[in-house]
Amino acid sequence: AQSVAQPEDQVNVAEGNPLTVKCTYSVSGNPYLFWYVQYPNRGLQFLLKYITGDNLVKGSYGFEAEFNKSQTSFHLKKPSALVSDSALYFCAVRDMTGGSYIPTFGRGTSLIVHP
Amino acid sequence: DSGVTQTPKHLITATGQRVTLRCSPRSGDLSVYWYQQSLDQGLQFLIQYYNGEERAKGNILERFSAQQFPDLHSELNLSSLELGDSALYFCASSTQGGTGFSGANVLTFGAGSRLTVL
Repeated sequence: AQSVAQPEDQVNVAEGNPLTVKCTYSVSGNPYLFWYVQYPNRGLQFLLKYITGDNLVKGSYGFEAEFNKSQTSFHLKKPSALVSDSALYFCAVRDMTGGSYIPTFGRGTSLIVHP
Repeated sequence: DSGVTQTPKHLITATGQRVTLRCSPRSGDLSVYWYQQSLDQGLQFLIQYYNGEERAKGNILERFSAQQFPDLHSELNLSSLELGDSALYFCASSTQGGTGFSGANVLTFGAGSRLTVL
């Protein structure tokens, strides 16, 4: 089975500083990777995905992610953090489950951006 | 508003009871997915339907069942509830997910139904 790991439960960053939320993957074959964000009392929202092509993927709200095959990583980044970016971030990988491709999520990383 | 509607938003019930959670997918989406989010287990996939047919099963207990109706709305039935079933239940939808689809499915999530079992 394909899986992702988010090694940090929480990331703290000051507003205006760059942020990185880490994700590593374990897959056989080519990975289909995603990032989603969950704001308080809301459902998850899609940020970006990697299928193939450029290793740097741009997504919503100024976020981008860097796919690194040698390090099996797909870290989420933003050059300048905003307080409003504070939320729970989930990395996901497409996995075959019972004949259908289903996103399997990591445990999530809480991002806290301090003013 | 994501376009995926879940009801009820909150539900408090007792052990041994049965509840039904409802989901209306985003207009045009044929696939519905159910996930359970809890502090200890994270986000766990339960089951997927595509155009009325069950497509995939994940970590869904035998006490739980689901269906997707002809109008594409879906219901998740939870019975013989236990304290450990307390969680946030999300419904998500996508346009794809049928037989033969092998792309990168992007899911649109509802706001969730928070179930508390006392």
